[in-house]
Amino acid sequence: QKEVEQDPGPLSVPEGAIVSLNCTYSNSAFQYFMWYRQYSRKGPELLMYTYSSGNKEDGRFTAQVDKSSKYISLFIRDSQPSDSATYLCAMIGNTPLVFGKGTRLSVIA
Amino acid sequence: GAVVSQHPSWVICKSGTSVKIECRSLDFQATTMFWYRQFPKQSLMLMATSNEGSKATYEQGVEKDKFLINHASLTLSTLTVTSAHPEDSSFYICSASFSGRGADTQYFGPGTRLTVL
Repeated sequence: QKEVEQDPGPLSVPEGAIVSLNCTYSNSAFQYFMWYRQYSRKGPELLMYTYSSGNKEDGRFTAQVDKSSKYISLFIRDSQPSDSATYLCAMIGNTPLVFGKGTRLSVIA
Repeated sequence: GAVVSQHPSWVICKSGTSVKIECRSLDFQATTMFWYRQFPKQSLMLMATSNEGSKATYEQGVEKDKFLINHASLTLSTLTVTSAHPEDSSFYICSASFSGRGADTQYFGPGTRLTVL
C-alpha cells in the first residue's frame, strides 16, 4: 500500500459547483498536511497547510483533516474555470514531504 | 509570499552533455532545498535534500554521481545532470524551506523542463 493515495481523476465539474478532493494515508506519523495546486508545466503552489484534525478555511477553500480515519479533503466552493489545475495533497511527519499523485480538475464554464 | 525561481525554465541538450539547473530563493534564506523530478501525469518524486554548506542526502535509487547538487549559499542550490541521456528527460522542480514555519513548509520553483535528444 502506498503511503498516500489520491484519485488521479480527471474530475470535470460545471462552474459554480462544489468540488471535493480527497487523500488517504497509511503512515500515522504524518502530522502536517498540505494542498498544492499545480498548473500545467508549472511548479506546485501551496494552497493550504493544516496541522490538527478539523477544518481550516481560506476564502473558497476549506481543508479538512481526520487523523482518526487518516483522511484529508480539500473543498472548493463556487468553483471557477481558473481553478482548473492538478491538486496534490502532501504530508510530512517523520519522513520528507510525501505527495499524492494529484487529481486533475477541470471546471467548465 | 516566499518566492523561488529556477533557471533555465527549459533546456534541450544532446545525449552525453551536462546540464546545470539553478534554484534561488528570492526573498528569504532557505535552510533546506529539495530537488524533485516529475514525469508526465506522475507525482513529484523527491531526488535529494540539501542543506547549505553540507552534502546532499539522496533518496534511494538516485545516483549521486549523476545528479550533482551544490548548495553554496542560503539562497542558491544547483543541480547538475551529468552525461544526460534521453531517459533523464523530465520536469525538474526545486523547493526551498526555512525554519520558523512549522513543519518545513516548502515553496516551489516554477520547474525546469529538460529534454535530452
